[in-house]
Amino acid sequence: DQQVKQNSPSLSVQEGRISILNCDYTNSMFDYFLWYKKYPAEGPTFLISISSIKDKNEDGRFTVFLNKSAKHLSLHIVPSQPGDSAVYFCAASLDGGATNKLIFGTGTLLAVQP
Amino acid sequence: GAVVSQHPSRVICKSGTSVKIECRSLDFQATTMFWYRQFPKQSLMLMATSNEGSKATYEQGVEKDKFLINHASLTLSTLTVTSAHPEDSSFYICSARETGTYGYTFGSGTRLTVV
Repeated sequence: DQQVKQNSPSLSVQEGRISILNCDYTNSMFDYFLWYKKYPAEGPTFLISISSIKDKNEDGRFTVFLNKSAKHLSLHIVPSQPGDSAVYFCAASLDGGATNKLIFGTGTLLAVQP
Repeated sequence: GAVVSQHPSRVICKSGTSVKIECRSLDFQATTMFWYRQFPKQSLMLMATSNEGSKATYEQGVEKDKFLINHASLTLSTLTVTSAHPEDSSFYICSARETGTYGYTFGSGTRLTVV
């Protein structure tokens, strides 16, 4: 049972344009969400997170939006750069991130074309 | 920032042998470390939570006798894959959370191939 889903396995975007990566979840008890970036044969790198008490969090080119009623979050990257090309995972946890468990989505491969 | 070192980055072993993977937090102490497994084109699946000075907590379906976890100090956790078989071939990743924080830092992963 996949509690965190990323329905788009891949996304291709032109350099300078906006990249929008989507993530849906089923467990309404999740209250902390994170986005990670991962290159092949490397561990994930933390990008940005959001608490369920917020609907938006911004950090430079990265913005995460949370729609609790739809159980949906998205990561916006603008402007997209070729170096952003990687696999992006969303993850969710309980208890504000204090719990031991991160539930990961299946990932979306982003390709930013020069 | 926090750094987690994972070693080795890749290992090839014969079926039936055991392999040990180390995960070290280099500049912080971690009472809790986590071990994940990733199959090709799949998500990262939490295998177990490693607790310093106590037994690891395994996720459902993960054989604790096959995947031995030791967290002997605040900076080191090890995962030993015992009697490895080809189906154990995978990408194993550890992560650590600095005591008192919510931040998870991941190691660079270990590609295990069992032949």
